[in-house]
Amino acid sequence: EVQLLESGGDLVQPGGSLRLSCAASGFTFSSYAMSWVRQAPGKGLEWVSAITASGNSAYYADSVKGRFTMSRDNSKNTLYLQMNSLRAEDTAVYYCARARRAVIPFDYWGQGALVTVSS
Amino acid sequence: QSALTQPASVSGSPGQSITISCTGTSSDVGGYNYVSWYQQHPGKAPKLMIYDVTNRPSGVSDRFSGAKSDNTASLTISGLQAEDEADYYCNSYTSSGTVVFGGGTKLTVL
Repeated sequence: EVQLLESGGDLVQPGGSLRLSCAASGFTFSSYAMSWVRQAPGKGLEWVSAITASGNSAYYADSVKGRFTMSRDNSKNTLYLQMNSLRAEDTAVYYCARARRAVIPFDYWGQGALVTVSS
Repeated sequence: QSALTQPASVSGSPGQSITISCTGTSSDVGGYNYVSWYQQHPGKAPKLMIYDVTNRPSGVSDRFSGAKSDNTASLTISGLQAEDEADYYCNSYTSSGTVVFGGGTKLTVL
């Protein structure tokens, strides 16, 4: 059974940093591209970033480019999202999602991790 | 990276059919057959319902179908059931190598 389990969500002050993790199991992690998708309270889904299966390339939404860094450790079956210079508008539930093919569609999702940016 | 355009809400009675549209540009929806649709119930993670415009993952009811014409994709749900009440999101691959979602549509089953 495919499982994605996010961790690391927390309350952080504006300008602060946080790293999210996503532990994958039940499939060959190194064979799949992955993405982070976030959802602000009461709002819609927003794609944040994607990384290739090998980890050689990552792509970002304009809203986080230069502040967030996505990476993966295929030996640990774990995905990461390093978030720096956090803003109030980054407050959201962050989901990790597996890409069925190169980038989309997202066929499996984690349960989400809540990040709250507030003073 | 402007969001794809979806109606904010649609509604229908049990047994009826409804269609949700998803409008983008030639750089996303119109340029690729990589449109997907997701269902999200309150407090839950999204679930993939349609991928590559028309394909249904294993286990998804055949009451769900997708289509595309030019820059607009659509999701049709036939034989509406109470359990279909949820938020629905489309997304598409873009010419920038990124992904864009629609704003979401709240489906109410009357």
